[in-house]
Amino acid sequence: ELKVEQNPLFLSMQEGKNYTIYCNYSTTSDRLYWYRQDPGKSLESLFVLLSNGAVKQEGRLMASLDTKARLSTLHITAAVHDLSATYFCAVDIGGWDDMRFGAGTRLTVKP
Amino acid sequence: NAGVTQTPKFRVLKTGQSMTLLCAQDMNHEYMYWYRQDPGMGLRLIHYSVGEGTTAKGEVPDGYNVSRLKKQNFLLGLESAAPSQTSVYFCASSSTGELFFGEGSRLTVL
Repeated sequence: ELKVEQNPLFLSMQEGKNYTIYCNYSTTSDRLYWYRQDPGKSLESLFVLLSNGAVKQEGRLMASLDTKARLSTLHITAAVHDLSATYFCAVDIGGWDDMRFGAGTRLTVKP
Repeated sequence: NAGVTQTPKFRVLKTGQSMTLLCAQDMNHEYMYWYRQDPGMGLRLIHYSVGEGTTAKGEVPDGYNVSRLKKQNFLLGLESAAPSQTSVYFCASSSTGELFFGEGSRLTVL
């Protein structure tokens, strides 16, 4: 059975600190996506990772993909309050028609 | 730009009632999806469609039906609602794998 596991599920950070969110998955895939969800809102796409070794950066967030280890990371640099949200990884296991999500990591950045 | 639009945004049903959620996208995407989101469980795929006139079951299809008569619309139906179907439902569309989501529909079944 496919599993997509994120950790931690809850993360409380101080502003200015660095941290990494991990996404492990249990089946072969070379396509992984990260999404952000603000409370009560929809999900918006952050990163699309389409091959082994892919690295994408946007502002204080950087995502990477290691398909051999079946692992993606979302690294937060010098966190700010505006990054408080829930972050989801999603693994494409069937050619765009079967996207499976992790449980999400709820990030809170405190002053 | 409208993107992906879901209606209604909120609905309260009694057990056994039926209803339909409508999803409309204006991006000419081939792929459309219905997910449900429950606390601590991420998003789970209910049904999806890879093109007009086609539908397929996802991870949790029981109790739901779908139709895609037009490319831009994807309907999710509940024939006999149950309290276990209380959830937030998200529609999404895609052409390259990256998903574009609607704002969600919060359904409560009493």
